[in-house]
Amino acid sequence: KAGVTQTPRYLIKTRGQQVTLSCSPISGHRSVSWYQQTPGQGLQFLFEYFSETQRNKGNFPGRFSGRQFSNSRSEMNVSTLELGDSALYLCASSLDGQGYNQPQHFGDGTRLSIL
Amino acid sequence: KNEVEQSPQNLTAQEGEFITINCSYSVGISALHWLQQHPGGGIVSLFMLSSGKKKHGRLIATINIQEKHSSLHITASHPRDSAVYICAVINFGNEKLTFGTGTRLTIIP
Repeated sequence: KAGVTQTPRYLIKTRGQQVTLSCSPISGHRSVSWYQQTPGQGLQFLFEYFSETQRNKGNFPGRFSGRQFSNSRSEMNVSTLELGDSALYLCASSLDGQGYNQPQHFGDGTRLSIL
Repeated sequence: KNEVEQSPQNLTAQEGEFITINCSYSVGISALHWLQQHPGGGIVSLFMLSSGKKKHGRLIATINIQEKHSSLHITASHPRDSAVYICAVINFGNEKLTFGTGTRLTIIP
């Protein structure tokens, strides 16, 4: 069974641009969660999607958004990029979601660098 | 104060030693995860527990809900165990995952 796939693995952007990251969950998993990891803040929860609906969100500005498609694949978008958005962005999938006491299966992440 | 605190932040040990990493949290939780992150970024879920104790190979995780504390133990440690170990809790109520800052473990041959 294929694992969680994130694309691209690496991305370099400049301030003010926007970026879209993609996550394909494990087949059959309906929940996709996104996380940001930085050296200063560690891992932080961005949002969770389930059946094409945002079910939960963390404390990030509106520049961070996402969506989920009918095949459970998810994208996250960051607009008007800032230097502080440089981070490793991880997604994780599970059958039913974070609140259902199920293991989260993580992708390898997309490393975003803002110049 | 962070909702999830881990100790120690860094740990270096000799191969074969018994390792303990601690996690304390201040919120009500429905479950706690132990994660392993190797250089390069990939994260692997080691355990998910809401009570008692779980064992997988050389790894053991325990949780005490009353004391709001969990421990991850590694027996007969090996250099391949070198990684960052992260504790994460599911907040009871809002169902959000909150992470500790991680423990960087280095096992020296």
